[in-house]
This record gives sequence, structure tokens and C-alpha cells, in this order.
Amino acid sequence: GNSVTQMEGPVTLSEEAFLTINCTYTATGYPSLFWYVQYPGEGLQLLLKATKADDKGSNKGFEATYRKETTSFHLEKGSVQVSDSAVYFCALGTGANSKLTFGKGITLSVRP
Amino acid sequence: DTGVSQDPRHKITKRGQNVTFRCDPISEHNRLYWYRQTLGQGPEFLTYFQNEAQLEKSRLLSDRFSAERPKGSFSTLEIQRTEQGDSAMYLCASSLAGGGETQYFGPGTRLLVL
Repeated sequence: GNSVTQMEGPVTLSEEAFLTINCTYTATGYPSLFWYVQYPGEGLQLLLKATKADDKGSNKGFEATYRKETTSFHLEKGSVQVSDSAVYFCALGTGANSKLTFGKGITLSVRP
Repeated sequence: DTGVSQDPRHKITKRGQNVTFRCDPISEHNRLYWYRQTLGQGPEFLTYFQNEAQLEKSRLLSDRFSAERPKGSFSTLEIQRTEQGDSAMYLCASSLAGGGETQYFGPGTRLLVL
């Protein structure tokens, strides 16, 4: 079956630090890959996505590249801000139904 | 586009009672999904509809759970004879049909079963 593995958290960084959050997956077929973010007190919202191998998704300074050879979709940002503090979920969608399989999520705290 | 809405946002009930949640998707979206999220975990798929047809149900969805989308617009999720293990956040999402389409999530209904 499909599965998503995220690195263990929580992660605490100082403002302007470099961020990497690891995500690897196991899937049948050719999945689409997503990063969702949940800010405190808010619902899940899409951060970025990639639908085929070697695609790079980007948004708000975050980037992730769909690496089929390593089955990975690591999230990176060059300089985090306090406002990036949130829970980040990696997810994949496959098949005609496109139901999402999520990782456990990781909490990022950025201190001033 | 007002986004996906869910009602109620919070529900506290006693074990054994029935509860019903409502989801209103983005109007032009023909797909609607229900997920459940427990503390410290990512959302888990429960079921999905394309228009009014319920096309897949997870094994997580016991016989006490039923979902409907009668006119292909809003959807309801009912839990009968609630148990403490049903306590969770119930999330609704909608999307256009097709692989790779983005699912847009509602704010969720938080259920607490006492």
C-alpha cells in the first residue's frame, strides 16, 4: 500500500535559518506529491505540489523536487521567518480517486 | 469562492449518541472527501464522492459510519452509537475530478465523545 514517512519532529530554528524537512514515500503507480501546512488555529492548506518526476513545486519561498529515483519530496526554504511556524504534512495521491495518504506531520517553530 | 465549510466546528457528545456533520464544498467541485485526524497524526482517508456517488470507503469506516451526498453538493457524515475512540477531527475536502488535482480542506469538525 501507499505510505509517507516524514522526519521526526519537532524542529526549532532561529529566524533566517535554512530549513529542510525530509519526506519519503512508497506508492504503487505514479503518485502526485503535496506539502500541506496547518498554521495555528487554521485548517490545512496546500503549500505546493508536483505531479510528475523531476517537477519542482514552489510557493512562499518553499521548494520541493519530486525525486522518483530516491522516492523523496523534501521541503526546503532558504531563510525561515517566525510566520512559518506551523505543522507541515507531506502527502501523496494516486489512482483515479486521488485520495491522499499523509505523513504524520512535523511541527516547525521559528524563534526571533 | 467561499472555500469549504463545515458545521459544526465542535461537537461534544456522550457515548452511545448519534452525531451528524455537514460539509459544503467549493461549488464547482465534483469530488468530495472525508478524512479523520487524531492528535499527532496526519489525516486518514475515510470515503469520497464523485458527484452524488460514493465511490470508495476505507476499512476505517465501520458500519456505524455513513456518509451521503444526495444532490452532489453538500455532504453529511453520520456516526451512530458513538464510542470514545471516535473522538477526532473530521475533515472534509473538495476538488475537481482528475489525477493530481488539489484538494481544498475545510476547517474541520472536532468531535469529543465523553
